[in-house]
Amino acid sequence: DIQMTQSPSSLSASVGDRVTLTCRASQNINTYLNWYQQKPGKAPKLLIYAASTLQSGVPSRFSGSGSGTDFILTISNLQPEDFATYVCQQSYTTPYAFGQGTKLEMK
Amino acid sequence: QLHLQESGPGLVKPSETLSLTCTVSGGSISSDSYFWAWIRQPPGKGLEYIGSVYYSGTTYSNPSLKSRVTMSVDTSKSQFSLRLSSVTAADTAIYYCARRLLGGNSVDYFDYWGQGTLVTVSS
Repeated sequence: DIQMTQSPSSLSASVGDRVTLTCRASQNINTYLNWYQQKPGKAPKLLIYAASTLQSGVPSRFSGSGSGTDFILTISNLQPEDFATYVCQQSYTTPYAFGQGTKLEMK
Repeated sequence: QLHLQESGPGLVKPSETLSLTCTVSGGSISSDSYFWAWIRQPPGKGLEYIGSVYYSGTTYSNPSLKSRVTMSVDTSKSQFSLRLSSVTAADTAIYYCARRLLGGNSVDYFDYWGQGTLVTVSS
């Protein structure tokens, strides 16, 4: 099974900052990588699919990159509503796997 | 706007069977491009993919749970269901239903989710 590892596990930042979150797959997943945002008590929300395609309605300050095993989610100009947990997910092969998440906290 | 809603008991006894239903509204459950999925999240932990069902009845289950999982779909009611047998405390989790879009060019993701329902396994 493919394992997904996210780093860091938590990150402190301020409004207006630019942050970079990393996701690594245990084997090549091409660009079958999705990013979700999850807030406490809520279901995950799709942000980016196919590694770099922004889901409709998601602000352009979110961007994704990478292919193969290493992927990055970048959030520019952090807004108060962006403080949440970010989770990556591979859809290259079953069983689909999620990373453990990066919790983005306000400094 | 598509809406998914989970329903079912919030408390299940050990060794019994967990049964959940997801009702889909605002869209068709019988669309060719979509699978209907179950995902769970133990309290304070990460997400685990349980499996998916297609409107034709074709299913895929995570091998880690496969022997205990049964999924089905009722297109007439726009519902799909999950049954997980022989539950233990380790099956305590928030259970989400979701729509899975399967396209080309690396397009395979969960785009609509239910709000989730907490199922506790306890005597």
